[in-house]
Amino acid sequence: DTGVSQDPRHKITKRGQNVTFRCDPISEHNRLYWYRQTLGQGPEFLTYFQNEAQLEKSRLLSDRFSAERPKGSFSTLEIQRTEQGDSAMYLCASSSGQLDEQYFGPGTRLTVT
Amino acid sequence: SQQGEEDPQALSIQEGENATMNCSYKTSINNLQWYRQNSGRGLVHLILIRSNEREKHSGRLRVTLDTSKKSSSLLITASRAADTASYFCATVDVLVGYQKVTFGIGTKLQVIP
Repeated sequence: DTGVSQDPRHKITKRGQNVTFRCDPISEHNRLYWYRQTLGQGPEFLTYFQNEAQLEKSRLLSDRFSAERPKGSFSTLEIQRTEQGDSAMYLCASSSGQLDEQYFGPGTRLTVT
Repeated sequence: SQQGEEDPQALSIQEGENATMNCSYKTSINNLQWYRQNSGRGLVHLILIRSNEREKHSGRLRVTLDTSKKSSSLLITASRAADTASYFCATVDVLVGYQKVTFGIGTKLQVIP
């Protein structure tokens, strides 16, 4: 399968714990995006990478959130000291060109108890 | 913040009928895209229409774009039960060399067999 993959698909954690999600984009795509989606809402942009450079971050991305894309391949999104409000679906997408469509992964559903 | 506003927010139709969903947005855009999301899954790209296009077709899908009214519509003809999903419009601005995608809150479509 050459689509975007995300791991894990589901994560349940206790408040205050750290969690890390992984995204593997389509191999030839140099652009990678992270979004967060809460119930009944559309996805909201979190951050964007072009190759290994993180070029844009949303105000939604508080200091507890950090994202990396070493070597411009897979990306990780870490949330430190999770809060109940962090419970959401975290979606990753990738694209090849600046104006091209984004291909989404299946998402990681985070539940903070 | 979410730019696109879909209308209606929920739509229930019989199989075989046509479904029309509308999207309004506020700022100028480079292109507009429609996505489908099955419950609890990632988003699937349906169609992209550029700002200089007025109408586009793809199979049973027809998308229109009116940049003067800042609105778009998605028509699904001859609906099937498998079309049951949430549909999101996403506006795309090209800013500082990357693609900023802003999603609406979606239209939840139910196609009754």
